[in-house]
Amino acid sequence: GQQLNQSPQSMFIQEGEDVSMNCTSSSIFNTWLWYKQDPGEGPVLLIALYKAGELTSNGRLTAQFGITRKDSFLNISASIPSDVGIYFCAGQRGGSYIPTFGRGTSLIVHP
Amino acid sequence: DAGVIQSPRHEVTEMGQEVTLRCKPISGHDYLFWYRQTMMRGLELLIYFNNNVPIDDSGMPEDRFSAKMPNASFSTLKIQPSEPRDSAVYFCASSAGTSGRGWTGELFFGEGSRLTVL
Repeated sequence: GQQLNQSPQSMFIQEGEDVSMNCTSSSIFNTWLWYKQDPGEGPVLLIALYKAGELTSNGRLTAQFGITRKDSFLNISASIPSDVGIYFCAGQRGGSYIPTFGRGTSLIVHP
Repeated sequence: DAGVIQSPRHEVTEMGQEVTLRCKPISGHDYLFWYRQTMMRGLELLIYFNNNVPIDDSGMPEDRFSAKMPNASFSTLKIQPSEPRDSAVYFCASSAGTSGRGWTGELFFGEGSRLTVL
């Protein structure tokens, strides 16, 4: 079953606002990944994190690998309408190619 | 380079009918995954293959579900007989696994097959 707790479940924001979402686990992960799923499409990788404490940016997106290796967060700055979609976190343990996915955060951006 | 290709994109069928979903992974990828996405359960891993061999099918809901990978460029997920509770979006994803450059952990997803069982 699911071992990642992702929150919030959904967000409704105004264009231009910043967004923050996070993922926590009772288990340690060696890799954290953040995916975005556009409506009607499959998830696409946004950011990958490989070291505890790592902070990585991809344009307006910033993600961090928690020091405890049990959590990660994703921030989106100055949101725009095309940020709409479902954001998934995924964790991978050492030696495993199989990611565990969170339930997703559904983001709606009002123009 | 073509991504993961799934067919059909949409399927509407009646309860009891056989459903076959198809997937062509990215060339050179040696891992293939089948996921099911529903509002209630999110993304569930059904089964995955490594080098065409099923490694873990513990996520397959029941015996009505079966998956095959006869070669490196093709996989099928079959539901027989289908039931209304099987209605979902089914995703196929592939991954490169280890490589000389190291493994990134990235899964490449297809666009999904939306199944509706009436």
